[in-house]
Amino acid sequence: GPKVLQIPSHQIIDMGQMVTLNCDPVSNHLYFYWYKQILGQQMEFLVNFYNGKVMEKSKLFKDQFSVERPDGSYFTLKIQPTALEDSAVYFCASSPPGLGVYEQYFGPGTRLTVL
Amino acid sequence: GQQVQQSPTSLVLQEGENAELQCNFSTSLNSMQWFYQRPGGSLISVFYNPSGTKQSGRLTSTTVIKERRSSLHISSSQITDSGTYLCAMRTGGYKVVFGSGTRLLVSP
Repeated sequence: GPKVLQIPSHQIIDMGQMVTLNCDPVSNHLYFYWYKQILGQQMEFLVNFYNGKVMEKSKLFKDQFSVERPDGSYFTLKIQPTALEDSAVYFCASSPPGLGVYEQYFGPGTRLTVL
Repeated sequence: GQQVQQSPTSLVLQEGENAELQCNFSTSLNSMQWFYQRPGGSLISVFYNPSGTKQSGRLTSTTVIKERRSSLHISSSQITDSGTYLCAMRTGGYKVVFGSGTRLLVSP
């Protein structure tokens, strides 16, 4: 089936540094999402992105977070600066246009460790 | 408050037994999706089922919008069914809310 890829699979970074998480969504999909999951806890919605804009974001999407998808390349989540509480697995998801717009396809996640 | 209540929190079955997983919603919904999360973490879509009943092999999902609930039935469980099952709902707009999951363990 359709696959979403995420790069890297693991990232270790010092607190205060910047990190960019990359997502390669399914090719014809137009809606993109980021989620955060702390080990053993619930999956939490961060942000939805469509047509170059943030459509909706949660309280977890702090000012230090930003998303973009320049020229149809990777859909990225940037955290600058990072904090200890940003340690989690970040999942990217995408949805197709049309009738399937609410059906999401998830990537394998990027495990971010902030030291 | 919690918009999605998932039950049971955990479930232990012997191989061959059936399982019924439930999600109840505190608000009206306009889409519903069930996922299987592997112990390693990746999510696999089991059903996209905003309403009605869908079946795929041993799995059946039923969503009743008026009653604000959705269920996932696993028949003749197998050891490979072990993992965490998550439901996710969308009430409107683009925000998606996940349940806390049901951890299923199927033993021989």
